Amino acid sequence: GESVGLHLPTLSVQEGDNSIINCAYSNSASDYFIWYKQESGKGPQFIIDIRSNMDKRQGQRVTVLLNKTVKHLSLQIAATQPGDSAVYFCAENNRGSQGNLIFGKGTKLSVKP
Amino acid sequence: GAVVSQHPSWVICKSGTSVKIECRSLDFQATTMFWYRQFPKQSLMLMATSNEGSKATYEQGVEKDKFLINHASLTLSTLTVTSAHPEDSSFYICSADRTYEQYFGPGTRLTVT
Repeated sequence: GESVGLHLPTLSVQEGDNSIINCAYSNSASDYFIWYKQESGKGPQFIIDIRSNMDKRQGQRVTVLLNKTVKHLSLQIAATQPGDSAVYFCAENNRGSQGNLIFGKGTKLSVKP
Repeated sequence: GAVVSQHPSWVICKSGTSVKIECRSLDFQATTMFWYRQFPKQSLMLMATSNEGSKATYEQGVEKDKFLINHASLTLSTLTVTSAHPEDSSFYICSADRTYEQYFGPGTRLTVT
């Protein structure tokens, strides 16, 4: 779906706490999902991905959970650090088609020291 | 590996002039590159898919005669904003596809005065 809006949802957490960022995706045919981190004035940076045949994947300090029943994706960041402050986007992709990424609205994460 | 660059990183131009933005994959070849536009506090919106050696595929609502895309080699795609107007001011981001994964450039900030 389209991602249009003038205000990004914001999540404010204390340094050291865990963060959970949520995303609802639109296409039930999407079979590949990615989380990106975007710092101000920069391009998106890959964080972690997950395929539709999985419901959980872990990386370094990050975990992605996929619930295909309700078309929901979440990103968990453990022991959040000030350097994690950025806007986080989920993106969905249908590899069977052209494979274009569709980006979600984004969530701004602010980490208080 | 998988580094994508953009040039320029920012540009200011006068209304009515044209601006060319370059996207290069530095250490891999990309038959497909993507161009996105991002307005402040909004998500990335796909403008067009650039295929090496063939015409670009534009998303609905994107004027192909205004946003000219040339993908002349496996490492370079260019986006030319013709007759730019203040409403074209935005952050333009490209990505390059390598084995169905997209690697993003750092973005180009365009300001039209």
